[in-house]
Amino acid sequence: DIQMTQSPSSLSASVGDRVTITCRASQSISTHLNWYQKKSGRAPKLLIYSTSTLQSGVPSRFSGSGSGTDFTLTIRSLQPEDFAAYYCQQSYGTPLTFGGGTQVEI
Amino acid sequence: QVQLQESGPGLVKPSQTLSLTCAVSGDSITSSRYFWTWIRQHPGRGLEWIGSISYQGNTDYTPSLQSRVTISIDTSKNQFSLDLTSMTAADTAVYYCARVSSTLMTTYNWFDPWGQGTLVTVSS
Repeated sequence: DIQMTQSPSSLSASVGDRVTITCRASQSISTHLNWYQKKSGRAPKLLIYSTSTLQSGVPSRFSGSGSGTDFTLTIRSLQPEDFAAYYCQQSYGTPLTFGGGTQVEI
Repeated sequence: QVQLQESGPGLVKPSQTLSLTCAVSGDSITSSRYFWTWIRQHPGRGLEWIGSISYQGNTDYTPSLQSRVTISIDTSKNQFSLDLTSMTAADTAVYYCARVSSTLMTTYNWFDPWGQGTLVTVSS
């Protein structure tokens, strides 16, 4: 199985901050990396697919980068509605696996 | 706009079989561009892919659950289902259904959209 490791597991930030979340794969996954936002009690929402492509309707303050084993999700200027958990997911091979998540808190 | 909605019991006794259904609206489940997926999230923990099915009935399951899981599809009702046998407390989780895009180059890509999720508790 491809293990996905996210860091940090949680972070505290303020509105307007630049936030960076890292996801590392246990083997190369090319650019087959997707990011989701999850708020408590709600379904996960696709933010970015194929490492850097913004899903339709997602604000441009979100961006993704990386390749191989190391990937990054950046929120350029944190907004109140961005406080949530974020998960990476590899789609390089089965079983499809997720990172452990990063909780972004005030 | 595609929408998915899970349904099924919220409480299951140990050793019983969990049966969940995901109703798909706004799109045909027979599209070759997608697979249909079950994912779960244990309380306070991360997300776990359970398995996926194509409209033709081709399935993939996560190895740790493969002996207990069956995913099936009913194209006439535009829905797909999950059966998980021999339930234990460790299977207590929120269960989500989702659509996963598929291409000729990559069978599975990203999950979008997701259902709202349904909490399943295993308890006597």
